[in-house]
Amino acid sequence: GAVVSQHPSRVICKSGTSVKIECRSLDFQATTMFWYRQFPKKSLMLMATSNEGSKATYEQGVEKDKFLINHASLTLSTLTVTSAHPEDSSFYICSASRQTEAFFGQGTRLTVV
Amino acid sequence: GENVEQHPSTLSVQEGDSAVIKCTYSDSASNYFPWYKQELGKRPQLIIDIRSNVGEKKDQRIAVTLNKTAKHFSLHITETQPEDSAVYFCAASRAGHNQGGKLIFGQGTELSVKP
Repeated sequence: GAVVSQHPSRVICKSGTSVKIECRSLDFQATTMFWYRQFPKKSLMLMATSNEGSKATYEQGVEKDKFLINHASLTLSTLTVTSAHPEDSSFYICSASRQTEAFFGQGTRLTVV
Repeated sequence: GENVEQHPSTLSVQEGDSAVIKCTYSDSASNYFPWYKQELGKRPQLIIDIRSNVGEKKDQRIAVTLNKTAKHFSLHITETQPEDSAVYFCAASRAGHNQGGKLIFGQGTELSVKP
């Protein structure tokens, strides 16, 4: 299957700092990527759709100024959590689709202290 | 808006028994229904999927059924093994060009298979 790589897998940051998470499709081009957030023992909540060359589409209730998404190339989307706070601690995971099948990155465990 | 409901939230079975997980969806335009298995701290892995032009699909011990009229689909695992223990998610999507990959997930089912 296709490969999606996400980096870093774990990050610990201080409150008030920003954290960037990268999502790369390694063997296919993805005009669209998706960012999800997952709380412990909970489902994947779609945060936003990342569109190559245009603005991301955010789901209702997700602050676009808080979670900045950039999709500058056909193989890379980045999610930046700005001015992180402890409540932003979570598992963030991206996906990219080839045809109809979605391929997920490894996920990023963010801990804000 | 789009919504996927999944039941049960937890399921415990004895090794060798069958497990059934059910999902309903709200968006009648959905036409692609994948099932994922997720182990703790890992990425979801696709285990089986079904498209709306098919009512049932089987792959060894795993099968999925789809009832488009009722807008529900189910995962069936037969002859369960301890390694089947994980969290299972259903999802629904409109698999057209502009919507491809936007998955709406169910709440998840934590399956425990006891030896």
